[in-house]
Amino acid sequence: RKEVEQDPGPFNVPEGATVAFNCTYSNSASQSFFWYRQDCRKEPKLLMSVYSSGNEDGRFTAQLNRASQYISLLIRDSKLSDSATYLCVVGAAGNKLTFGGGTRVLVKP
Amino acid sequence: EAQVTQNPRYLITVTGKKLTVTCSQNMNHEYMSWYRQDPGLGLRQIYYSMNVEVTDKGDVPEGYKVSRKEKRNFPLILESPSPNQTSLYFCASGYEQYFGPGTRLTVT
Repeated sequence: RKEVEQDPGPFNVPEGATVAFNCTYSNSASQSFFWYRQDCRKEPKLLMSVYSSGNEDGRFTAQLNRASQYISLLIRDSKLSDSATYLCVVGAAGNKLTFGGGTRVLVKP
Repeated sequence: EAQVTQNPRYLITVTGKKLTVTCSQNMNHEYMSWYRQDPGLGLRQIYYSMNVEVTDKGDVPEGYKVSRKEKRNFPLILESPSPNQTSLYFCASGYEQYFGPGTRLTVT
């Protein structure tokens, strides 16, 4: 089993719709969680950190479920510019970060 | 401007010819790391460094070396590159990982 797993997609989303996807992790001792966005072989960019209580940044909402060992990302009112690959990142003790394989999202007019 | 720079951005080389990819950050971050990204395998961590003179192996360290003699620089060294090291390489800085623009390496 991979340490961090994501549905590769693609998720085809009509513009204006809501899309949500999860990321599961295997290490119950994981301490930090992030979502990154990557556009077509460019460098990944931090989208948001994920806190235990959940957090929201504009149209993006991230949740952490420690009991079931997954994090989620929800995008509301999808824009064409939201088309990208979304990478889940999990950090263990000692700051070792493990990336998921990414979920590809395609927002269409 | 806060940034992570990598050089070169593109490199084609031959098997066995030692090369170094430089990485520099101007954000005074203690934590830096190197990744490679391959189709179907995602981003995999090669090495990381918690601070000057402190480096640790990531998931795929074989065939690579790093050094951290000063906080701002974290070069990646391939002593004897092989074709299976053809990949897209990213350096990243800071705990929340600000990434450099990437280095596309081809080893023939």
